[in-house]
Amino acid sequence: AQSVSQHNHHVILSEAASLELGCNYSYGGTVNLFWYVQYPGQHLQLLLKYFSGDPLVKGIKGFEAEFIKSKFSFNLRKPSVQWSDTAEYFCAVVRSGGFKTIFGAGTRLFVKA
Amino acid sequence: DAGVIQSPRHEVTEMGQEVTLRCKPISGHDYLFWYRQTMMRGLELLIYFNNNVPIDDSGMPEDRFSAKMPNASFSTLKIQPSEPRDSAVYFCASSRDRSLHTFGSGTRLTVV
Repeated sequence: AQSVSQHNHHVILSEAASLELGCNYSYGGTVNLFWYVQYPGQHLQLLLKYFSGDPLVKGIKGFEAEFIKSKFSFNLRKPSVQWSDTAEYFCAVVRSGGFKTIFGAGTRLFVKA
Repeated sequence: DAGVIQSPRHEVTEMGQEVTLRCKPISGHDYLFWYRQTMMRGLELLIYFNNNVPIDDSGMPEDRFSAKMPNASFSTLKIQPSEPRDSAVYFCASSRDRSLHTFGSGTRLTVV
């Protein structure tokens, strides 16, 4: 069965620090990959997505993610975080042509001002 | 577009009562998903519909839960009878294809 693993449950950073959140998935075929963000008290919103093409994808608010097929990974990065990036981040995977999106358990990021 | 609209935003009910959560998907989106989010279990897919037809309800926890989509613009998730362990945030999401979700604001359910 497909699964998505997010390595860190909680991350605490100071403003201007660099961010990298890990995401690995288990499915060996072609996949579509996503990062969603959930700000406190709000719903999930799409940060970025990968369907095909350039494995380095850029999303909103300065976030980017790199798909490394050989490592089954889709790590999220941001060079310099801001206090407003405090949120929970979810990695999600769906098999291309598949029916069910699998979400990771989420990583709670707290950015200290 | 107003996005995915869920109601109510908050619901507090007593154990044993029936609870109905509502969702209006984005017009033109053929897929509708119901998720439950808790601290312990994270985000869980309960059921999803394609063109108003339930496709996969394997995530529905038990028979107390039921979901319907009588038309393309409306879906309900019903819990009868409700229990304290059902307390969670329930999200509805819709999608034009199967993968890219637009989420509603969620319903925070508290069963006391």
